[in-house]
Amino acid sequence: EDQVTQSPEALRLQEGESSSLNCSYTVSGLRGLFWYRQDPGKGPEFLFTLYSAGEEKEKERLKATLTKKESFLHITAPKPEDSATYLCAVPEETSGSRLTFGEGTQLTVNP
Amino acid sequence: NAGVTQTPKFRILKIGQSMTLQCTQDMNHNYMYWYRQDPGMGLKLIYYSVGAGITDKGEVPNGYNVSRSTTEDFPLRLELAAPSQTSVYFCASSYPPGAGATEAFFGQGTRLTVV
Repeated sequence: EDQVTQSPEALRLQEGESSSLNCSYTVSGLRGLFWYRQDPGKGPEFLFTLYSAGEEKEKERLKATLTKKESFLHITAPKPEDSATYLCAVPEETSGSRLTFGEGTQLTVNP
Repeated sequence: NAGVTQTPKFRILKIGQSMTLQCTQDMNHNYMYWYRQDPGMGLKLIYYSVGAGITDKGEVPNGYNVSRSTTEDFPLRLELAAPSQTSVYFCASSYPPGAGATEAFFGQGTRLTVV
């Protein structure tokens, strides 16, 4: 069974304090790994897709990286508006479309 | 640009009642999905569709039904509501996967409480 595990469950940072979130997966033959941001009461908002080990993508203070077993979402000098739950997801090995989601990391950035 | 639109946003049902959660998308995506999200949990796939007239079960389909008569619409039906169906429901859509998977776009969710 495909598994996606995110850590930590919750992370509290001071504004400007950089850190990383982790997403490890067990699916073989990875056909992509997705990062989403979810604000309270809202649907997940797409951030990044990574397809192969070594790939990196950046957007403002966020950078996502991928290895053969895990992905990291690095947050550089975060601001309070970066507070959200960050979800990662991978497509099932037998499907290129059905996503298996991790349980998310709830990030709080204090001013 | 509407994207994926879900209605209603909130609903309270009594045990045994039925309802339909509506979902429509204007991106001409072939693939559509229904997920549920329980507090502190990731999203679980209920049903999905790869095109009009084609639907299939996901991880947690019991107690739900779907239909897909058009590309745009993918309603989710709860026939006999149970407290275990209290959750937030998200509809999503995407293009078909190619060599790699394609990102899904989500609606704002329907918060359902069964009492």
